[in-house]
Amino acid sequence: DTEVTQTPKHLVMGMTNKKSLKCEQHMGHRAMYWYKQKAKKPPELMFVYSYEKLSINESVPSRFSPECPNSSLLNLHLHALQPEDSALYLCASSPFTDRAYYGYTFGSGTRLTVV
Amino acid sequence: SQQGEEDPQALSIQEGENATMNCSYKTSINNLQWYRQNSGRGLVHLILIRSNEREKHSGRLRVTLDTSKKSSSLLITASRAADTASYFCATVVDSNYQLIWGAGTKLIIKP
Repeated sequence: DTEVTQTPKHLVMGMTNKKSLKCEQHMGHRAMYWYKQKAKKPPELMFVYSYEKLSINESVPSRFSPECPNSSLLNLHLHALQPEDSALYLCASSPFTDRAYYGYTFGSGTRLTVV
Repeated sequence: SQQGEEDPQALSIQEGENATMNCSYKTSINNLQWYRQNSGRGLVHLILIRSNEREKHSGRLRVTLDTSKKSSSLLITASRAADTASYFCATVVDSNYQLIWGAGTKLIIKP
């Protein structure tokens, strides 16, 4: 299995809703990432998990809450989002965070719309 | 954060022609990677070139790296309609091993 699977593919939520994005990989990668991407822009790093521990939080608002239940799963819990949070949310994985010679494997993303 | 610039921002060519995209960056790097993104989809890793390498090939892709000019180019030969996508370069620096992205080039292949 050489894929990162993200669910759901599309999500519409109100500003008072609570929802979660899910990411799964079975490649044995020990690093997992959440990115946010706005239209026509490169991805912006949000969170990095290394060996199931949060290692980087790029000053992301607390309405985004990541969780790594095990080495294969990564969740992003969403609460009280704003319309400007509407974007494509991408999950990625790589073998390690502290060694450089690897490309990342990305999921196909969740298209989030906040209304 | 963005490391550098890609040019052109957009490129439209006929099917069968070669497409060249350039990426410039600002700091010393460990490696440089190229990714493709079809509209609204995830990114696909294409190729990684290390700082001590000058050229790398993968199928119809050719990547060059000039560390003295802090620049890289991606050449796609004999382009196909399926190559229509956005292409991003990303650099990795030794201090934190995280990807630092360029702004991307939108490539359109006309049939």
